[in-house]
Amino acid sequence: GIQVEQSPPDLILQEGANSTLRCNFSDSVNNLQWFHQNPWGQLINLFYIPSGTKQNGRLSATTVATERYSLLYISSSQTTDSGVYFCAVDDTGGFKTIFGAGTRLFVKA
Amino acid sequence: DVKVTQSSRYLVKRTGEKVFLECVQDMDHENMFWYRQDPGLGLRLIYFSYDVKMKEKGDIPEGYSVSREKKERFSLILESASTNQTSMYLCASSSISDGNYEQYFGPGTRLTVT
Repeated sequence: GIQVEQSPPDLILQEGANSTLRCNFSDSVNNLQWFHQNPWGQLINLFYIPSGTKQNGRLSATTVATERYSLLYISSSQTTDSGVYFCAVDDTGGFKTIFGAGTRLFVKA
Repeated sequence: DVKVTQSSRYLVKRTGEKVFLECVQDMDHENMFWYRQDPGLGLRLIYFSYDVKMKEKGDIPEGYSVSREKKERFSLILESASTNQTSMYLCASSSISDGNYEQYFGPGTRLTVT
């Protein structure tokens, strides 16, 4: 099956700093999503991005499907950005989503 | 906005009890999923359903069963709870329309089996 690797595993930022999170996947995918899991455990949708680039406020994401990676950019980080960021991919038409291990982000005030 | 709700945020049960976790979505999604999340193991798929009364095993179905009698509701059943089923349980739903399979998650249920 598809392997999903996220890097870095842990990241500590000073408030206001920028960061890039990476997701590598081992095979072609139909879907790719980025999620933020907040301290209460809720998974919040950030981007649905099987290819191309999207932006939402301070966050943006780029997926280069032909090279099998996706990047999540966080600019001007805030303490509320803390949590775990997951990349999830699927190659089965939406029935078998594979999650990466996540990047744990802590933003210091 | 898509809304996925789960019946409990926190649940404490005893070993051997039958446990029901309920999930309801309000967006007429065809697909529904149950995952469990454990430290160091990430999210693992237990079961999914692509239609009413249809179910498919995920990666770790042992010790669990599911029920989908109505499109909006997907239940996870622990027939005889054991301590190794202490975990965070997450429900999700998605649509298959337009080829967009974006999944939406509920708030999760933290289950402790003592």
